[in-house]
Amino acid sequence: DGGITQSPKYLFRKEGQNVTLSCEQNLNHDAMYWYRQDPGQGLRLIYYSQIVNDFQKGDIAEGYSVSREKKESFPLTVTSAQKNPTAFYLCASSMGQSDEQFFGPGTRLTVL
Amino acid sequence: GEDVEQSLFLSVREGDSSVINCTYTDSSSTYLYWYKQEPGAGLQLLTYIFSNMDMKQDQRLTVLLNKKDKHLSLRIADTQTGDSAIYFCADTPLSNTGKLIFGQGTTLQVKP
Repeated sequence: DGGITQSPKYLFRKEGQNVTLSCEQNLNHDAMYWYRQDPGQGLRLIYYSQIVNDFQKGDIAEGYSVSREKKESFPLTVTSAQKNPTAFYLCASSMGQSDEQFFGPGTRLTVL
Repeated sequence: GEDVEQSLFLSVREGDSSVINCTYTDSSSTYLYWYKQEPGAGLQLLTYIFSNMDMKQDQRLTVLLNKKDKHLSLRIADTQTGDSAIYFCADTPLSNTGKLIFGQGTTLQVKP
């Protein structure tokens, strides 16, 4: 059963701590993406990766970091430098950059 | 830069048709997508239209594209309570190297 998984679904973090959100896909897609969603707003692109071992900053990369060591995996680290990290985070993948994107179920991060 | 705009809220009665509108600024778009997001979940691709088409029908969904006015609409016939969700349109302007740009999302409320 192909798809994208994100874990955990809910995550709580204390201020000043780094936290890593997981994203795995078994669709054999080359491109992967991380978005942030805040209430009443659309999706804002944090980072994207077109191929293994390569990634680029999106529109709001400050305070975030990623890695792409395997085709299937694109973890996102929310660092303590991110000023307002509480949000819903969505991971997506696509065959190529202009192709339809498939989304994971999301991780809701709350900073206490 | 490129921009995609949607109205934020639409309320209809069950059984009526719903029309969700979207405008975009970049004329180099290739594909335009409609996604659906149910509460607390990821985005699900509903349908898409290629930029050289004017209309696409898929069961209860009709997509209309007016390239001259850069206007896209999604019509849902016989709207059901299960259609209540947030609907996002997304553009793939070539000037953005094909990455998707999302609108803010339209919340569709279906009243029984």
